[in-house]
Amino acid sequence: AQTVTQSQPEMSVQEAETVTLSCTYDTSESDYYLFWYKQPPSRQMILVIRQEAYKQQNATENRFSVNFQKAAKSFSLKISDSQLGDAAMYFCAYLTSGTYKYIFGTGTRLKVLA
Amino acid sequence: KAGVTQTPRYLIKTRGQQVTLSCSPISGHRSVSWYQQTPGQGLQFLFEYFSETQRNKGNFPGRFSGRQFSNSRSEMNVSTLELGDSALYLCASSSGTSGGAVSYEQYFGPGTRLTVT
Repeated sequence: AQTVTQSQPEMSVQEAETVTLSCTYDTSESDYYLFWYKQPPSRQMILVIRQEAYKQQNATENRFSVNFQKAAKSFSLKISDSQLGDAAMYFCAYLTSGTYKYIFGTGTRLKVLA
Repeated sequence: KAGVTQTPRYLIKTRGQQVTLSCSPISGHRSVSWYQQTPGQGLQFLFEYFSETQRNKGNFPGRFSGRQFSNSRSEMNVSTLELGDSALYLCASSSGTSGGAVSYEQYFGPGTRLTVT
């Protein structure tokens, strides 16, 4: 069975600094997708970034980028120039291609310090 | 385009009762997934419906059930409520097709906060 592990329950970062959130996963599948979702306090969960496993190039979305290490089954999220609005719970998620059974990690709470 | 809506937003029930939660997906989306979110446990997958059929199921007891209607709206039912069922229940919609990464992206509703006393 597939699993997703986020080993950092909480992280803090100074405004304008860079922070990296860790995520590891376990799967025997070769075709899958990975996602990072953000859940701000009392607000809806939104997609931050996605990565197709068959793509070697790391995905980027403005200040958000990932470090996808397929062999190591690692999928970390880097947030550059952190802003107060980045404070949220961040969830890493895995999905085997062709299915719709998502597996989420337990989340990392990110605090941004002014 | 309107987002995913969930009703009610808050519910307080007594142990032993049953509850029904509703989710309306984004227009055009045919897949609706349900999750239970509790502190420290993250999101636990309950089930996924596509075109009125349960396509995927998580590891929850039979007290948790769902259905989907022809307009893709979905309901989740929990019978014989237990204290441990207190959680935020999230619904998410997506296209439901296998058309690449974009089709797998999920759009979440605001959730229903269920408290069982």
